[in-house]
Amino acid sequence: AQSVAQPEDQVNVAEGNPLTVKCTYSVSGNPYLFWYVQYPNRGLQFLLKYITGDNLVKGSYGFEAEFNKSQTSFHLKKPSALVSDSALYFCAVRPYGNNRLAFGKGNQVVVIP
Amino acid sequence: AAGVIQSPRHLIKEKRETATLKCYPIPRHDTVYWYQQGPGQDPQFLISFYEKMQSDKGSIPDRFSAQQFSDYHSELNMSSLELGDSALYFCASSLQGDYNEQFFGPGTRLTVL
Repeated sequence: AQSVAQPEDQVNVAEGNPLTVKCTYSVSGNPYLFWYVQYPNRGLQFLLKYITGDNLVKGSYGFEAEFNKSQTSFHLKKPSALVSDSALYFCAVRPYGNNRLAFGKGNQVVVIP
Repeated sequence: AAGVIQSPRHLIKEKRETATLKCYPIPRHDTVYWYQQGPGQDPQFLISFYEKMQSDKGSIPDRFSAQQFSDYHSELNMSSLELGDSALYFCASSLQGDYNEQFFGPGTRLTVL
């Protein structure tokens, strides 16, 4: 069975500093990996995905993520955080041949002005 | 751009009542998914449909049923509601394919009293 771990409950970062949200996964076969962001009382918004190819994936709103197969990680990064980036971030995995997304527990990101 | 539409946005029911949640996918999307997100939890996959046929089934209680109609909209029917069914219910849609991202609706917040 597939699983996703997001080890930190909350990530605090000063505005303008680099932001990293960690994610590790466990899945049999090749994984399809996704990051979503959720603002209060809103649905999940797609940020980016890794399917194959270049390990560095660029997504929406200046976010990027690096796929590391040996460490089974897919950390989300942003070079310079904005206050408006404060939200709940979910990492998700979708195993090959499977419809469903398996989400991590989510990370609350707080960007301090 | 058109997004996933869910109705109602909020629903309050008593224990043992029934509820019907509706989902209208993004035009031309052929696959619909339902997820349940409890308070402070990550979204859990319930069920999905591709071309009006059930394509995958997750941790959906027997009291719940769902279907996808000829116009691709989907309905989640919930009977004998329990307090523990109180949650945010998301519908997502995508084009069929493991690598296609799912686009989420705003969710229906169900409160069971």
